[in-house]
Amino acid sequence: EAGVTQFPSHSVIEKGQTVTLRCDPISGHDNLYWYRRVMGKEIKFLLHFVKESKQDESGMPNNRFLAERTGGTYSTLKVQPAELEDSGVYFCASSQMSSGANEQFFGPGTRLTVL
Amino acid sequence: QQQVKQSPQSLIVQKGGIPIINCAYENTAFDYFPWYQQFPGKGPALLIAIRPDVSEKKEGRFTISFNKSAKQFSLHIMDSQPGDSATYFCAASLDTGTASKLTFGTGTRLQVTL
Repeated sequence: EAGVTQFPSHSVIEKGQTVTLRCDPISGHDNLYWYRRVMGKEIKFLLHFVKESKQDESGMPNNRFLAERTGGTYSTLKVQPAELEDSGVYFCASSQMSSGANEQFFGPGTRLTVL
Repeated sequence: QQQVKQSPQSLIVQKGGIPIINCAYENTAFDYFPWYQQFPGKGPALLIAIRPDVSEKKEGRFTISFNKSAKQFSLHIMDSQPGDSATYFCAASLDTGTASKLTFGTGTRLQVTL
């Protein structure tokens, strides 16, 4: 079974440009999460989808970030316009829709560098 | 405000040693405490997890010790091997029944030398 996949693995853009990150969760996983790690700091929660609905978007830094999960399958995270402080590694994770155990499976991440 | 504090930031031990990584949390409503292991170029992977109704959990060479009154938990790696060299993250979440978000510590980079 394929794990969580993310595309691209790396992205280098200029300040002010737009970037779209994609995440494909494990098939059948209703929960999809986005996290971000800025160098040397903790992995921070951005938002949580249950199927196509946003369950919790309390971690989204500002309105330059837009996440979508049309059809409840893959998700995209768009940053527009990108700022220097948006640099970091963006992780996507997925988990099954169940109570109790909360094992989240992470993708390899997208390393975003804003110059 | 960082809700989960992790130390040390980095750790070097010899093969066979027992590295210990410590975490402290603020929110007493947290009731699920996983540890994730991350190798370079990969995403974090669940290593072991504990709930606050037990004080210790072992899986192979990995042990979590949990102190609810002190709001602290730690990871011990017995008989550490060079293959254990990785970054380790502690985390915490609320068990709301709807698979809530993870709150992570800052990570510990472990190096196990020969």
